[in-house]
Amino acid sequence: ETGVTQSPTHLIKTRGQQVTLRCSSQSGHNTVSWYQQALGQGPQFIFQYYREEENGRGNFPPRFSGLQFPNYSSELNVNALELDDSALYLCATSRAGRETDTQYFGPGTRLTVL
Amino acid sequence: TQLLEQSPQFLSIQEGENLTVYCNSSSVFSSLQWYRQEPGEGPVLLVTVVTGGEVKKLKRLTFQFGDARKDSSLHITAAQTGDTGLYLCAPRRRTSYDKVIFGPGTSLSVIP
Repeated sequence: ETGVTQSPTHLIKTRGQQVTLRCSSQSGHNTVSWYQQALGQGPQFIFQYYREEENGRGNFPPRFSGLQFPNYSSELNVNALELDDSALYLCATSRAGRETDTQYFGPGTRLTVL
Repeated sequence: TQLLEQSPQFLSIQEGENLTVYCNSSSVFSSLQWYRQEPGEGPVLLVTVVTGGEVKKLKRLTFQFGDARKDSSLHITAAQTGDTGLYLCAPRRRTSYDKVIFGPGTSLSVIP
């Protein structure tokens, strides 16, 4: 167990709705990254937050947005949900620094869009 | 655009057999990480290789980073059912942020 928790574990929404996913950081970790993992594929980088500011973004539209709070927990918000947004959403926390630092992943939130 | 491939995509073997999975890229990386992801869980880091030609062993798992730092392999000896999972490679770059770019993964199933 990594100490990174995500909520909820499962979620069902309909197309056009909005969703907020949450991630709590492992103690001492000030960086959080969010990933989308479609079934049978590797995780795709959405964005990263460091000290409450976005610090890098993958190839995702602006309707994917995030927040990081002073306690380093984080939220991922997705507006105007589409069917293709159905996936496992993973967050990973780390200490900012060397590229070889370990990222610790949470168990993910399974989002289904109908 | 970097191209990252993992092969094979799927692998089903009997317990006790040996196997090798591969990670290949069109780009040179400063380091590479291997993760294993079990169903219902997030990926877990297995190893980080940094130097071209480096070989690291983790019990029955042997990881090698290619001399040109563009490819890597993972060899499992005497596979066990607990090795079942999705194996992901993640080359790393020295950038201003430490996002992880994953390959598509190799899904391994070890049958008792």
